[in-house]
Formats: sequence, C-alpha cells, structure tokens
Amino acid sequence: GDSVTQMEGPVTLSEEAFLTINCTYTATGYPSLFWYVQYPGEGLQLLLKATKADDKGSNKGFEATYRKETTSFHLEKGSVQVSDSAVYFCALSLVDRDDKIIFGKGTRLHILP
Amino acid sequence: KAGVTQTPRYLIKTRGQQVTLSCSPISGHRSVSWYQQTPGQGLQFLFEYFSETQRNKGNFPGRFSGRQFSNSRSEMNVSTLELGDSALYLCASTLGLAGASGANVLTFGAGSRLTVL
Repeated sequence: GDSVTQMEGPVTLSEEAFLTINCTYTATGYPSLFWYVQYPGEGLQLLLKATKADDKGSNKGFEATYRKETTSFHLEKGSVQVSDSAVYFCALSLVDRDDKIIFGKGTRLHILP
Repeated sequence: KAGVTQTPRYLIKTRGQQVTLSCSPISGHRSVSWYQQTPGQGLQFLFEYFSETQRNKGNFPGRFSGRQFSNSRSEMNVSTLELGDSALYLCASTLGLAGASGANVLTFGAGSRLTVL
C-alpha cells in the first residue's frame, strides 16, 4: 500500500551544520508531498510542499525537491539553528486514495548551541 | 483569525472509562481530521468528517468514534479506555477534503494529551 518512510531519529547536530532528513514514498499514482514540523508542545504545521515531479518546496531556509525517479522528498537546510529543534514529518496525499493524507513516523531533530 | 482549538489540553482517565474530546476548526473550514500520535506508532489517522459526514476512517476499533456538527465543530469519543489509548490526539481542519488536492493543507490544533491509568 501507499506509505512514507523517514530516517529514524533522533538527529543531533551543532548549530550552523547542514541538515538532511531523508524521506521516500511508495504510491501508485502521483501524490502531493509535504513536510510538516511539530515544535515542542504544539500541533503540526506545514513547512513546505510540492505537488508535482521536479517541484521544489522551500520555506524558512528549508528546501525539498520532489524526485519521481527516486520516489524521494528529502528535507535540507544549509545552516540549522537551535530554534529548528522539533519533530519533522514527511507526508503524501493522493486524490485517488480516498483522499487520505499519509504521514511518516517523524524524525526528531536536536540542535546544540 | 483563530486557529484550530482543541479541548481539553490534558486529561487523565482510568481503564474502562470513556472520554470525549472536542475540536473547533478554523472558521470556514468544513473538514476535520483526527489523528492519534504515540512515540511508537507516530501519527495514525483516525477519521475525517466533512459536512457532518464521515468520509474516511482509519484502522481503529469501534471504541473510537466521532461526529461533526453543523457548525463544523467535531468531537471524538473513546469508550472502554485501555492503557494503550494513552496518546496525543490531534485534530486538523481544511477547507475541503484533506487529501483532495495539494492545496488543501492541514492546519493542526495543539492536541489533547490523554493519559490512561
């Protein structure tokens, strides 16, 4: 079935380090792809999205490119800050799959000052 | 404008009891989705309501139920609570059906944290 796989966490980095969180998906069709972020004590909020192959989503210095050939949507940031510490969720939605949104299990990110 | 509001934020129950959680979506949003978040399973979809009708349901037992009112507010109920029901329950709203388009982004509330003793 349709699914999203994220790298296991937690991921611990020093401030100003380069970040990559891997996300791959399985879907029969052409999904829209999302990254959501959950800060401590809060609900999830949309970070960025891409709706078709080769689209790049970007926000707050984060980027992710929809790669249909590798079924991936890896999240990257060139220089992380302590305030980026959070849990990051990759997700997909498919119009022809009962309109459900499927989430990965989340990756916890710790940034050390 | 006001975001998605969930009440209560925290609650403690004992096994066998039941619980009702409430979600008020963003004004104008007609779809409300519910998720269960646990450290082991991550985010699991419970159900989605749109215009007072359940449109989708996840793989949860019948003890988990929900409803939506004419003002789009939604409630979910868990009966005969088990220890494994301890989790953060998240509600999210969208203008249209959640997965119908990449444009329909979920807006989440802060969640209701349920502890079952």
